[in-house]
Amino acid sequence: QKEVEQNSGPLSVPEGAIASLNCTYSDRGSQSFFWYRQYSGKSPELIMFIYSNGDKEDGRFTAQLNKASQYVSLLIRDSQPSDSATYLCAVREGNRDDKIIFGKGTRLHILP
Amino acid sequence: GAVVSQHPSRVICKSGTSVKIECRSLDFQATTMFWYRQFPKKSLMLMATSNEGSKATYEQGVEKDKFLINHASLTLSTLTVTSAHPEDSSFYICSAEQGPKETQYFGPGTRLLVL
Repeated sequence: QKEVEQNSGPLSVPEGAIASLNCTYSDRGSQSFFWYRQYSGKSPELIMFIYSNGDKEDGRFTAQLNKASQYVSLLIRDSQPSDSATYLCAVREGNRDDKIIFGKGTRLHILP
Repeated sequence: GAVVSQHPSRVICKSGTSVKIECRSLDFQATTMFWYRQFPKKSLMLMATSNEGSKATYEQGVEKDKFLINHASLTLSTLTVTSAHPEDSSFYICSAEQGPKETQYFGPGTRLLVL
């Protein structure tokens, strides 16, 4: 059974600090990795995707991928109250027909 | 990013009626669309995968005769909840991708309340 694991939280972070969200996956053949943000009562929205080992930065967000450790993370710098949401990690294997598997999400709460 | 729309955004219906939800990819052709269901404070649950022109693939435990999926074109998929009951009340979300290995984009969701 292919799995994507996330700590459910809530993760509480003071405003202005760095929020670190972590995700592990079971299938070593996974190739594509995504982070989605879901506000309460809304549908998920894509924040970032990453395919290669290392860091990928986009504004205040940095995705980090370590395929050897089967670990992907999302860092949010200068956290704002508007970042309070559930963050979903998603993983797709390398095969053509494989669907994206979502983690259950981590609830992030930024403390004003 | 790509835009996916859903209609209606909210529907209230009586028990026993059928409800159709539309999912459209507005600025790209979606070879595959997905239907999810999410109960309050619960995880996203994949119901089925829909490929244009072929039958949908349903996840284990999802009744194909109750949740009818049609993907007639590369920009439109529909989910029909047949003979809806109160336990079908949920947040239904579709997503679409342009092709294999592409990013998946979500629609805004449809909130269904069955009385």
